[in-house]
Amino acid sequence: SYELTQPPSVSVSPGQTATITCSGDALPDQYSYWYQQKAGRAPVLVIYKDTERPSGIPERFSGSTSGTVVTLTISGVQTEDEADYYCQSADRRGTSQIFGGGTRLTVL
Amino acid sequence: QVQLVESGGGVVQPGGSLRLSCAASGFTFSNYAMHWVRQAPGKGLKWVGVISFDGSNKYYADPVRGRFTISRDNSKNTLFLQMNSLRGDDTAVYYCARKGSSSGTLGMDVWGQGTTVIVSS
Repeated sequence: SYELTQPPSVSVSPGQTATITCSGDALPDQYSYWYQQKAGRAPVLVIYKDTERPSGIPERFSGSTSGTVVTLTISGVQTEDEADYYCQSADRRGTSQIFGGGTRLTVL
Repeated sequence: QVQLVESGGGVVQPGGSLRLSCAASGFTFSNYAMHWVRQAPGKGLKWVGVISFDGSNKYYADPVRGRFTISRDNSKNTLFLQMNSLRGDDTAVYYCARKGSSSGTLGMDVWGQGTTVIVSS
């Protein structure tokens, strides 16, 4: 079955740049999305259609894509950005949605 | 404000059934497709299934296909998840989420707070 692969964890210091990758064979053919989930809370959409940012999401969050890898970049990380981050996309047919395994961002 | 509120979770024995509801408010529910997503304790997000805006199309993840059924009542702004033949690995927090429009995000742009389902004897 189709999978999206993320690193389990990323650690950065406040003010640094955090980079979280997500790889999957169908990513060149399907949009990707990124969600932030803080402890005990519902997920929040932070990036849609690979690179777009919803209203209300800080400009320090950005998305990029290159072939089978999509990347979430958080520039000037703040302590409040500590959370789990999930990529999401669809299989090649577009009928099944898939989440990556999630990446825990720790702000040291 | 735009809001989704899930209900119906609880403790159920293996092999049992449960029906979850998701009440929508603050937007035109009948214009949007809706997803169900679940999260087992300490684990990641898993997509359960999706229903089109009018209920005519439904797609399910392999682990739940044939056991779970998604439906909606647009007159009552409510989404449902009927879960049958429940197993221990169905234990999770279940979220409903709105699928953004094609002119908008297309992503899961509004989420409920989740309802907990525990399958245990």
